[in-house]
Amino acid sequence: DADVTQTPRNRITKTGKRIMLECSQTKGHDRMYWYRQDPGLGLRLIYYSFDVKDINKGEISDGYSVSRQAQAKFSLSLESAIPNQTALYFCATSGDLNTQYFGPGTRLTVL
Amino acid sequence: AQRVTQPEKLLSVFKGAPVELKCNYSYSGSPELFWYVQYSRQRLQLLLRHISRESIKGFTADLNKGETSFHLKKPFAQEEDSAMYYCALSGPSNTGKLIFGQGTTLQVKP
Repeated sequence: DADVTQTPRNRITKTGKRIMLECSQTKGHDRMYWYRQDPGLGLRLIYYSFDVKDINKGEISDGYSVSRQAQAKFSLSLESAIPNQTALYFCATSGDLNTQYFGPGTRLTVL
Repeated sequence: AQRVTQPEKLLSVFKGAPVELKCNYSYSGSPELFWYVQYSRQRLQLLLRHISRESIKGFTADLNKGETSFHLKKPFAQEEDSAMYYCALSGPSNTGKLIFGQGTTLQVKP
């Protein structure tokens, strides 16, 4: 489903660097989410947004920030990357029925 | 606290065998529960949700409020069912937030 896209798909960076992951959607959904996936831990919510002016922290927001530039765009930033932020990051959107539609994921490695 | 537990990291069965992926939850209220699936090199996608009471790809799941469970079942596993399966609970206040379990890898052997 190409309605939710993420860039980059893979990224290797060094400790201390600032990095931004981007998410775009063409589904017209107001709600957008950022998760990280770690083996054995499932998906954990980092931040979520109900519209451009509504940003909320999730379960594990420390070390991350987000920006909702438009209804269709939701970016996740790591201000100063650290190795334990190495993970697979997913963006998702949802409409009214709570079903979430996921992007393909960004594999981030912090050395 | 809201929580979803999938006790098995890996479930390995032979083709044609029955499959049951376990999911237990804790939630104070009326839960909305989902199963999501992630096939190899594909994105996470919805498999089924309990309010739809439907069967997708031969899978069914029944919400048992007494046992706080939402196990995923299929009578005859196929090799193409091999994937990672996540049980998820919709969070409070109709926020659309999902609380995911740890995931279970289903491996169907020929």
